[in-house]
Amino acid sequence: SYELTQPPSVSVSPGQTARITCSGDALPKQYAYWYQQKPGQAPVLVIYKDSERPSGIPERFSGSSSGTTVTLTISGVQAEDEADYYCQSADSSGTCWVFGGGTKLTVL
Amino acid sequence: EVQLVESGGGVVQPGGSLRLSCAASGFTFDDYAMHWVRQAPGKGLEWVSLISGDGGSTYYADSVKGRFTISRDNSKNSLYLQMNSLRTEDTALYYCAALHIVVVTAPYWGQGTLVTVSS
Repeated sequence: SYELTQPPSVSVSPGQTARITCSGDALPKQYAYWYQQKPGQAPVLVIYKDSERPSGIPERFSGSSSGTTVTLTISGVQAEDEADYYCQSADSSGTCWVFGGGTKLTVL
Repeated sequence: EVQLVESGGGVVQPGGSLRLSCAASGFTFDDYAMHWVRQAPGKGLEWVSLISGDGGSTYYADSVKGRFTISRDNSKNSLYLQMNSLRTEDTALYYCAALHIVVVTAPYWGQGTLVTVSS
């Protein structure tokens, strides 16, 4: 079955830039979405359609795509950004959703 | 204001059944494909099922195929998930989500309902 691969963890100091990658064979054809999830809370969409930011999401969150890899970039990381981040896309048919395993972002 | 409100979760014994509901408001329901996504305690997000806007097409993850049935009632702006032959590994927080059929926009998500399968 189709999989999206994320690093289990990323650590950065406050004010630095965090980059979280997500790899999958169908990513050149399917849009990617990124979710932030803090403990005990529902996931919050931070990026959709590879690089679009929903209203209310800070400008420090951005997304990009290159070939089979998409990247969530958080510039000027703040302590409040510490959370689990999940990428999501669709299979090659564009119907069934697929999630990455999640990346725990630690702000040192 | 867009709202997706899940209900119907609870505690059920292995082999039992449960029906989840998701009430939608604030958007044109039948313009949206609807998904169920779950998250087991301490685990990641797992896609469960999808139904098209008119209800004519349904898709399932291999882990639930043959046991779960997704349906919708567009006259009631409601989504359902009938879960049969429940297993302990089905224990999770179940979210409903909506994605526009034509325009690529931000999907809507609910807050989830908890299903616990335990003897």
